[in-house]
Amino acid sequence: GESVGLHLPTLSVQEGDNSIINCAYSNSASDYFIWYKQESGKGPQFIIDIRSNMDKRQGQRVTVLLNKTVKHLSLQIAATQPGDSAVYFCAESYKSYDYKLSFGAGTTVTVRA
Amino acid sequence: EAGVAQSPRYKIIEKRQSVAFWCNPISGHATLYWYQQILGQGPKLLIQFQNNGVVDDSQLPKDRFSAERLKGVDSTLKIQPAKLEDSAVYLCASSLGTDTYEQYFGPGTRLTVT
Repeated sequence: GESVGLHLPTLSVQEGDNSIINCAYSNSASDYFIWYKQESGKGPQFIIDIRSNMDKRQGQRVTVLLNKTVKHLSLQIAATQPGDSAVYFCAESYKSYDYKLSFGAGTTVTVRA
Repeated sequence: EAGVAQSPRYKIIEKRQSVAFWCNPISGHATLYWYQQILGQGPKLLIQFQNNGVVDDSQLPKDRFSAERLKGVDSTLKIQPAKLEDSAVYLCASSLGTDTYEQYFGPGTRLTVT
C-alpha cells in the first residue's frame, strides 16, 4: 500500500494568497521526497525535491519543508496564480539506489479569482 | 529537448479485449517506468526498466499485463485480456537512471474498459 498520504484532498485558495499543501509519510527510513504537479490531461511535472538531510529547500515561488520528527512534508506556494490550479502529489523513496518513487493520493488545488 | 511521448492518448475497449500502449522516452534516459493511475489516486508503479532489463515488476499483474523494452529505448505495455478495473491512465516516465530520482512523465494514455 501507499505510505505517503496527504492531509486534505482539496484546497481552495484566493489568487495572490499563499498555499500550503501538506503530506504525511509513514516510513522513517525514507531519504528522498519530491513534489509533482499534475494538470488536467497531462502527466505529473516535477516541482521541487528534498533529501532527508535537509529541513527546507526553496525554488521559484515554492518552498518545501521537511519535519522528520513528525514525518511531515509541506509545499508552500507563494502568491498563488490561476496556473497553479492542479493536483499536487508528494512522493517518497525509501530504498536507496533503486530510484523508485511511492506516490500519495494527491491534493487538488483550485485558485479562486 | 523532446519530452516523453506516448500513444495512443485515449483508448476505449470492451472487457476481455487486448490493448497495447507505446512509450518513447527522452533520448539518453536509461530508466523507464510504467505507472497506472486510477482516477483520484496517485500513480502506482507497474514496472521499471534499466536499459532493456527489468529492475522491478513486483506490482505488475503478470497474468494479464506484460511489458517489454527492446533495444533499451521504446517500450510497450500490453493488457490481455482487459478487465473493467483496468480503466485508468497509464503513464510512462523516464529518467537518466544514475544518481537521480527525477522522473519525466509523458501525457499518459487514458484507457476505458466497458
